[in-house]
Parts: sequence; C-alpha cells; structure tokens
Amino acid sequence: ETGVTQTPRHLVMGMTNKKSLKCEQHLGHNAMYWYKQSAKKPLELMFVYNFKEQTENNSVPSRFSPECPNSSHLFLHLHTLQPEDSALYLCASSHQRADTQYFGPGTRLTVL
Amino acid sequence: AQSVTQLDSQVPVFEEAPVELRCNYSSSVSVYLFWYVQYPNQGLQLLLKYLSGSTLVKGINGFEAEFNKSQTSFHLRKPSVHISDTAEYFCAVSGSGSEKLVFGKGTKLTVNP
Repeated sequence: ETGVTQTPRHLVMGMTNKKSLKCEQHLGHNAMYWYKQSAKKPLELMFVYNFKEQTENNSVPSRFSPECPNSSHLFLHLHTLQPEDSALYLCASSHQRADTQYFGPGTRLTVL
Repeated sequence: AQSVTQLDSQVPVFEEAPVELRCNYSSSVSVYLFWYVQYPNQGLQLLLKYLSGSTLVKGINGFEAEFNKSQTSFHLRKPSVHISDTAEYFCAVSGSGSEKLVFGKGTKLTVNP
C-alpha cells in the first residue's frame, strides 16, 4: 500500500450505531487531518494531529471523536450521528504541520 | 483569516479546447496556494502548488497556474483538455506556516467530445 488509505470506503449507519473510520498513511508524515466534504459546501477541516497530539478542533460536535495512536494511524469514532452528518470524510497527511497535504480516497458515510 | 472564491461552479468545454478555471483568494498574510483535482468517487489529488519563487507553476497532467499577487488570483489553465480531465477542481489557500487549508467550493469541469 502506498499513500493514504481509508477504510471502509462506504458506510451506512443508523443514528444509534457506533462505528469508526480508519486512516493510515504510508508516507512517513507527522501530521494528520480529518475533513468533511458535504454536497454544495467547501471542504471543512475537522481535526488536526501533529506528532499524535491534537492541535486543532474546528468546533466539531462531540459525537465525532478522533483518536491518533501513532503518527501513521488516525481514527474517527462516530456515535449517535444525525442524517446531516452524511458526507464524504477525507483523511490527509503532511510531513510537518504546514506542509503540502496528501489525501486519502475518503469514506462515504450515510446516516439513516 | 483566508478565504477562496472559485468563480465558476461548472465549466463545460470541448475536447482539445483550452480551459481556465478561476480562483481568487483573500488573505492578510503571505500565502501558499494549491490546486487539487477530485475524480468521481475518489479523494483529492494535488495538481500543483505555489509556495514561493516563480509565479508560473507547472503541475501534473499538463496543467499550470499563475500566481498574481496584485489581483489575488491563482487561475488554473490547460491549453488542450482531454475527456479524462473531467473532474472537480478545488483551489485552496493557507497562510504560510499554517496547517489550515481553506478550500473553495470547487469547479466541475466537464470535457465533451
């Protein structure tokens, strides 16, 4: 595997479910990001991690809970989501915080 | 804070025609500028970036962009497009030294035969 990978690619969940999105980067980067891409809206930065430490939480509701156990892995834990949370969730990584970001293919999430 | 305006939400063109996708930004600090492409059902792929130096930046797939500080623009161009260039293109800006990328709403390029 090369680059940034995300699993699952597609996820359908009910509002009472708990699920997790996984991101893995094989680029030796130190910073990782979660973005939300909704139809008709610009990409929204959700969280930033640098050397496993969270450096940015862009006013994201607590039903989204990120976890970064090491510089190569990033998770987004989901619980009691709303239908308006349906979107494409993109993970990205960069060598350092202000460097060029490289994106994964995304997880298409549908909340019923 | 930075912001990005992509002036056209959709751009239809014929194959082998030239194309320009427009991007304007606002920022109170020095900026880095990026163009990303998103093919259907895929993530974002970096096309090109401007960090410093020459204002004309060449990227992958024959695309280029020119940084114009006085007009706060970073328009993307390609002299001859292919069907395979059909995708959505995103302009993004960050303050130099910042990890916060601010994206435009995207421009859907459709190349018709």
